[in-house]
Amino acid sequence: SQQGEEDPQALSIQEGENATMNCSYKTSINNLQWYRQNSGRGLVHLILIRSNEREKHSGRLRVTLDTSKKSSSLLITASRAADTASYFCATEIGSARQLTFGSGTQLTVLP
Amino acid sequence: DVKVTQSSRYLVKRTGEKVFLECVQDMDHENMFWYRQDPGLGLRLIYFSYDVKMKEKGDIPEGYSVSREKKERFSLILESASTNQTSMYLCASWTSIRDEQFFGPGTRLTVL
Repeated sequence: SQQGEEDPQALSIQEGENATMNCSYKTSINNLQWYRQNSGRGLVHLILIRSNEREKHSGRLRVTLDTSKKSSSLLITASRAADTASYFCATEIGSARQLTFGSGTQLTVLP
Repeated sequence: DVKVTQSSRYLVKRTGEKVFLECVQDMDHENMFWYRQDPGLGLRLIYFSYDVKMKEKGDIPEGYSVSREKKERFSLILESASTNQTSMYLCASWTSIRDEQFFGPGTRLTVL
């Protein structure tokens, strides 16, 4: 069963604009992670936010977490063509040491 | 840096063939995972392993088995490949001292 659902499924923006992707989940989590996947490749970890955190930054990335709404958002500021990729949220629940991934947002940044 | 390698980037097999997908990690991680990725469905967990000779079913284990004889190697086996197993297969490893999973480049399997 899918724990995380990303929204929108696809997003197309101009270079320099900000991109916002959202993730909703169903059950209480230990942490929520965001991964990027370039076309036809493996996933790369971007950032992790724990359940007791509300906001986290890493370079041009900003992640927020609202546990009351069971949702998270990933903001990429000043986007570049190289940011074109699929972005996935993943949740860790309990002590299972497993991640449950959403279906992803395909981001296209136009030069 | 952690490196996770998968034996093939592309693989074409016939229905009924036995298929082995190999995954090797070089950082002594105790946890390893196999996912399949299909359009619109994201990543779905097939099997995972917390230790050598140990395996646990994920969300979609039917039609698959796994083997972990050595800590660094985790194999996914399709006993009798079927066309609905055409997919991208991703291997990942994870250590308990880090929170992130490290992924291999993926194997795109086509079953004809």
